[in-house]
Amino acid sequence: DIQMTQSPSTLSASVGDRVTITCRASQNIGNWLAWYQQKPGKAPRLLIYEASSLESGVPSRFSGSGSGTEFTLTISSLQPDDFATYFCQQYKSNSLTFGGGTKVEIK
Amino acid sequence: EVQLVESGGGLIQPGGSLRLSCAASGFTVSTNYMNWVRQAPGKGLEWVSVIHVGGSTYYTDSVNGRFTISRDNSKNTLFLQMNSLRADDTAVYYCARDAGGGSTSQGYFDLWGRGTLVTVSS
Repeated sequence: DIQMTQSPSTLSASVGDRVTITCRASQNIGNWLAWYQQKPGKAPRLLIYEASSLESGVPSRFSGSGSGTEFTLTISSLQPDDFATYFCQQYKSNSLTFGGGTKVEIK
Repeated sequence: EVQLVESGGGLIQPGGSLRLSCAASGFTVSTNYMNWVRQAPGKGLEWVSVIHVGGSTYYTDSVNGRFTISRDNSKNTLFLQMNSLRADDTAVYYCARDAGGGSTSQGYFDLWGRGTLVTVSS
């Protein structure tokens, strides 16, 4: 299976900060990467697909970049609603795998 | 409203069986690739199973032979039959819709339910 490694596992930030989360794949996955946001007790929400395509309805402060084995999710100006856990997921392989998650906390 | 609502979780002893349901509204389960994804307490997400539009099914290795994914088109509902449950099956189980819209599988998920908790313990 393709292993997905996210860093950091926890991130403390303030409203208005620029936040960057990294996701690394154990092998080349091209652009076959998605990002999700998850809040406690709620359904995960798709943010980004194909590494950099913004899902409909997702605020433009979210952006994704990267290809191959290294990817980033950036929140340009952190808003109160953005405090949550973020996961990456590869879909290059039929055996879909996720990163361990990055929890964005209030500083 | 387009949504997925899971049910059927609970406390079950090791070796027991449980059937999870995922009721869909606002779209048709049978014309979409549908998945189960789980999350053990304090852990990341793990893909469990998929059912294709054509009915083909696939599983992650750790549940293959123990879990069965199916759907009831008349009820617009997805199921996961879980047998021979083990402690490491303890997790919140989510159903999730593939973003491909039914024509093909994209491999990522554009709609998720809130999940149902399965606890395997004696």
